[in-house]
Amino acid sequence: QVQLVQSGAEVRKPGASLKVSCKISGYTFTDHYIHWVRQAPGQGLEWMGMINPSGGSTDYPEKFQGRFTMTRDTATKTVYMELSRLTSEDTAMYFCARDRQQQLDSWGQGTLITVSS
Amino acid sequence: DIVLTQSPDSLAVSLGERATVNCKSSQSLLYSSSNKNFLTWYQQKPGQPPKLLISWASTRESGVPDRFSGSGSGTDFTLTISALQAEDAAIYYCHQYYSSPKTFGQGTRVEIK
Repeated sequence: QVQLVQSGAEVRKPGASLKVSCKISGYTFTDHYIHWVRQAPGQGLEWMGMINPSGGSTDYPEKFQGRFTMTRDTATKTVYMELSRLTSEDTAMYFCARDRQQQLDSWGQGTLITVSS
Repeated sequence: DIVLTQSPDSLAVSLGERATVNCKSSQSLLYSSSNKNFLTWYQQKPGQPPKLLISWASTRESGVPDRFSGSGSGTDFTLTISALQAEDAAIYYCHQYYSSPKTFGQGTRVEIK
């Protein structure tokens, strides 16, 4: 079955960087885009961007350009997202999700990132 | 950027009654070449990732109970739960895939009265 398994919770200090992984199984890795969505505590969903695991092309909103990077490793079937220059506003649950014809049909369990001094 | 505005922000409905959630887009989400609305509904329960409920504004995902239905086209969309069950208490989000950034509505909390 389709599974997206994310790396575990992390705590970072302001100004630091973080990298979260999303390991894919149960389907052909290169057949579906992967999206990243985050959710601050008690808040709604925020779309962060998407990556094409086939060629590695990405699509980010302007607000994340410059400090947000998505990459993939086809050998290990893993997608990564890296966020730099962290602030307390980056404290959130981060989700990866599979794109099936413009819908997000399978989601990772989420990775809680806490930014605190 | 396309802005999705959901209404109401929250509602409390008695078991077995109808719940209606609205989502209004700042631009049309109807893709003319396919005649499809790029609008999706998700359900999120506490401590869980979102769950895909309805695609293309009105296509129910496999396994989703038929009390959930979606309607609308262009800029105005509705999610209806025809007879609310206890397990339907959740936050519901609309999401547009028409253009980047692929924005979400702010969410509507559905509670049991």
